[in-house]
Amino acid sequence: NAGVTQTPKFRILKIGQSMTLQCAQDMNHNYMYWYRQDPGMGLKLIYYSVGAGITDKGEVPNGYNVSRSTTEDFPLRLELAAPSQTSVYFCASSYSQGSTEAFFGQGTRLTVV
Amino acid sequence: AQSVTQLDSQVPVFEEAPVELRCNYSSSVSVYLFWYVQYPNQGLQLLLKYLSGSTLVKGINGFEAEFNKSQTSFHLRKPSVHISDTAEYFCAFPLGNTGKLIFGQGTTLQVKP
Repeated sequence: NAGVTQTPKFRILKIGQSMTLQCAQDMNHNYMYWYRQDPGMGLKLIYYSVGAGITDKGEVPNGYNVSRSTTEDFPLRLELAAPSQTSVYFCASSYSQGSTEAFFGQGTRLTVV
Repeated sequence: AQSVTQLDSQVPVFEEAPVELRCNYSSSVSVYLFWYVQYPNQGLQLLLKYLSGSTLVKGINGFEAEFNKSQTSFHLRKPSVHISDTAEYFCAFPLGNTGKLIFGQGTTLQVKP
């Protein structure tokens, strides 16, 4: 049982390039999330989805886009990468809202130079 | 505004000593509360959670936390720490009915031999 799988683990981008961070879960969870982690700031929510075809913005959505065409996959797209997007990105999923735990992937460490 | 504050950014402690990591929350509604742990270069995993009932919650690896509604706190404790407890610890609660997590800034626990 793989849980939440993120690819790639590391990536260096040049300013202005684009990329997609992949996230897949095999637990049949409806709820999926993308967070970014910056030192001393905790984790901030970028986008989330409550089911296939439904996405919504979180606290820090600017510069990102998402799609959710299947229950399993929730890719995060960076268009026109900027140095401010240098961060560690975590994908998470949960079975239902609120009371159940969220399961996290191993993270993607992105550097924009 | 609903928020989580972790009062210490770093907590150094010697092996086998007790430790307390502090967390305060601000919410106008009833909350669920979580502690997550992040070992170096890994994703987050759930340490323990408070949903309702007993205010003393026991988690994995000998950790426990006490929910104090009057103090709006959810401090994490362990009576005797081990080198392997060195990690970053996050306090969090879900916002609304979508499972979005509000995280504290994180506390780095450094266990010294």
